[in-house]
Amino acid sequence: GQQLNQSPQSMFIQEGEDVSMNCTSSSIFNTWLWYKQDPGEGPVLLIALYKAGELTSNGRLTAQFGITRKDSFLNISASIPSDVGIYFCAGLMGQFYFGTGTSLTVIP
Amino acid sequence: EPEVTQTPSHQVTQMGQEVILRCVPISNHLYFYWYRQILGQKVEFLVSFYNNEISEKSEIFDDQFSVERPDGSNFTLKIRSTKLEDSAMYFCASSDGPGWEQYFGPGTRLTVT
Repeated sequence: GQQLNQSPQSMFIQEGEDVSMNCTSSSIFNTWLWYKQDPGEGPVLLIALYKAGELTSNGRLTAQFGITRKDSFLNISASIPSDVGIYFCAGLMGQFYFGTGTSLTVIP
Repeated sequence: EPEVTQTPSHQVTQMGQEVILRCVPISNHLYFYWYRQILGQKVEFLVSFYNNEISEKSEIFDDQFSVERPDGSNFTLKIRSTKLEDSAMYFCASSDGPGWEQYFGPGTRLTVT
């Protein structure tokens, strides 16, 4: 299957700080989705991206569909404790392939 | 807000037994999916289903797996003869178009002993 590598693997940040994470692959994808998953729960959709170069916001979250279509970025501004969780990217090539995840810890 | 629901939330079964995991997708969605997540790992695609047919499946979805839409609301995943390595969270998802955003259910934790 396709490999989607997310970095960083984990982050520990102070409340109020901004967060940046990315998802890269050697393959081209047609759609990128970003999800957040809390322990023991299902992934919750945060943002969907459909065109190369697209920049989309959802509250404090902003995501971009990379120009090369091989990557995507997620930024969270002014982090709060409830941002804690694992963030997954998913790229579409026939089926959705999920990334390896970025674990975010926010220190109050 | 409409949501995907799944039952049971936790299923414990013995190796070799058959299990059926149930999902009720979002009502106006036409595309349905099953995913698996082994503890601590990434989400893995199993199968997509549209118009009463499998439209895509992964190499994980072998002959021991089957899916069905038995009525207008339910979507099921059957594992015929469970193995220890089938222990995982199983997520159902639905979307209203192929390649569109998918909404996930809360998952069923399957434990095979």
